[in-house]
Amino acid sequence: GAGVSQTPSNKVTEKGKYVELRCDPISGHTALYWYRQSLGQGPEFLIYFQGTGAADDSGLPNDRFFAVRPEGSVSTLKIQRTERGDSAVYLCASSAGGLNTEAFFGQGTRLTVV
Amino acid sequence: AQSVTQPDIHITVSEGASLELRCNYSYGATPYLFWYVQSPGQGLQLLLKYFSGDTLVQGIKGFEAEFKRSQSSFNLRKPSVHWSDAAEYFCAVAGTDKLIFGTGTRLQVFP
Repeated sequence: GAGVSQTPSNKVTEKGKYVELRCDPISGHTALYWYRQSLGQGPEFLIYFQGTGAADDSGLPNDRFFAVRPEGSVSTLKIQRTERGDSAVYLCASSAGGLNTEAFFGQGTRLTVV
Repeated sequence: AQSVTQPDIHITVSEGASLELRCNYSYGATPYLFWYVQSPGQGLQLLLKYFSGDTLVQGIKGFEAEFKRSQSSFNLRKPSVHWSDAAEYFCAVAGTDKLIFGTGTRLQVFP
């Protein structure tokens, strides 16, 4: 596809359940970012991948959150034992290189924990 | 620590009026600065960016922004707003390896 694709677009889950959010970056983009956007807030950094490795995971809020990118393309954000406070839009972005290259964002996954 | 402040949560303008959205940043070195726009149901789209050189940068959709180091500001401007410009606007600064966003300014445009 032409852009960054995130699936599902919406996810409703019960408190305590496990969820996986998927990001398909633009083909050939080595850098991949996950952000979380709560209502009325700007995107908040979660984790950054360069290739297969997590170069910076300082934004993950706690050990319930984990992300992988095993082949350096698709990434999955995993949330265990979801809490109502995890409800937000989760955004994925990819870029061809560092921050001097444009980061392209997906439309996000809206996660609602009930 | 790097941070971005957007003092205006919500701005309303009439179509055809000029627009200025404020952005102040905190960053120790020369910053990379960005403006993104987010329309309902859409992803973030880059409007323009500043890395170095000319402090007045031109972007898409007729937007421009001016970097003022002395004021730690990177305000976004447009001479004449169109109804389709109604959206949420985010200013961002590049940290060591990630973008740090402000809380955004919601722009409403009246006909």
